[in-house]
Amino acid sequence: DAGVTQSPTHLIKTRGQQVTLRCSPKSGHDTVSWYQQALGQGPQFIFQYYEEEERQRGNFPDRFSGHQFPNYSSELNVNALLLGDSALYLCASSVRGQGIQPQHFGDGTRLSIL
Amino acid sequence: QKEVEQNSGPLSVPEGAIASLNCTYSDRGSQSFFWYRQYSGKSPELIMFIYSNGDKEDGRFTAQLNKASQYVSLLIRDSQPSDSATYLCAVNPDTSNTGKLIFGQGTTLQVKP
Repeated sequence: DAGVTQSPTHLIKTRGQQVTLRCSPKSGHDTVSWYQQALGQGPQFIFQYYEEEERQRGNFPDRFSGHQFPNYSSELNVNALLLGDSALYLCASSVRGQGIQPQHFGDGTRLSIL
Repeated sequence: QKEVEQNSGPLSVPEGAIASLNCTYSDRGSQSFFWYRQYSGKSPELIMFIYSNGDKEDGRFTAQLNKASQYVSLLIRDSQPSDSATYLCAVNPDTSNTGKLIFGQGTTLQVKP
């Protein structure tokens, strides 16, 4: 049973560039959430996708956008990269349903901005 | 005031001891609470979750929740060197159980042989 998979594992970009990160949820999961984790900090919620729509959004600028596909996989796009965007980007998947549905994380994409 | 607060540590305990990790949260309406373990350079791994007042036990781990005091804790019994990691407390402030998680900054635990 495959868990949450993310690609690429590492990425180096320069300021002003654009980046796309990808996530495939755990089998049977239909909801994808994206988080940004700076060094030494806890993950910060970016947004969540369910049924191909953005359902919730954290305090991130419009430079951060996303998409969910019919197979539940998701992309995170970041435009006009800034040095401060350097972080570990985590994708988490879950099942929308009754009761507590915990989120399970992928291994993350480490993004470095030069 | 941060929404979820944890002491960053490090918390150092000898092997075999009980490690006690604490977390407070500000949103009184928060519904569910999660503990994740994160090894250096790795992604968070779910340990357990709790949503009712009281204790929930899973093996060597016990989560404790006190909604009146807005306090959640994680106890690790018989601590092992392999438990050395950062422990993240996360809170779901929404009634939707698959909503966003708000994380604390994590507590670093060191278990010394």
